Amino acid sequence: AQSVTQLGSHVSVSEGALVLLRCNYSSSVPPYLFWYVQYPNQGLQLLLKYTTGATLVKGINGFEAEFKKSETSFHLTKPSAHMSDAAEYFCAVSPGSNYQLIWGAGTKLIIKP
Amino acid sequence: SAVISQKPSRDICQRGTSLTIQCQVDSQVTMMFWYRQQPGQSLTLIATANQGSEATYESGFVIDKFPISRPNLTFSTLTVSNMSPEDSSIYLCSVVGGNLGPREQYFGPGTRLTVT
Repeated sequence: AQSVTQLGSHVSVSEGALVLLRCNYSSSVPPYLFWYVQYPNQGLQLLLKYTTGATLVKGINGFEAEFKKSETSFHLTKPSAHMSDAAEYFCAVSPGSNYQLIWGAGTKLIIKP
Repeated sequence: SAVISQKPSRDICQRGTSLTIQCQVDSQVTMMFWYRQQPGQSLTLIATANQGSEATYESGFVIDKFPISRPNLTFSTLTVSNMSPEDSSIYLCSVVGGNLGPREQYFGPGTRLTVT
């Protein structure tokens, strides 16, 4: 069965430091991969996606993620954290058979001043 | 992207009553989904709202408890029936398809439900 694993329910970084949120997936077919962000008391916003082509994808707010098929990973990074990045981040996979998404448990990003 | 609205944005309800949540999108979409998100948790898919036919429910969710309608390609409702405090949660609708990107789901702002 397909699954998504996000390492670390909470990640704390200092303002200006590198942000790295980890996501690993299992899928029997080439997947579509997504990162969503949820700010407090809001819905989910699509941050970036990988469908086909270039494995390094750029998203909004300076975030990017790299699809590594050999590692079945899709880690999210940002070179320099900002206080406004504090939110919950969800990794999701669409295995390709239908439109449903398989969700990771989420990682809460905490930014220290 | 798509503009998705949900009504109500929040409500406080008494146990035993029912609440209907509306989801409206500004363009025709292929699929509409309903999710539940418990505080501090990830998303749990309740059902896929099918246009013109009965919704497809995930394991653990039944039509009698969560009846869903989708009369057209831009609108759906989710009813939470005979509520108990365990139904307190955020309910989210999402859409995919139509003029949107492949398999990208776009979400409404959510409905925060508290059952007392």
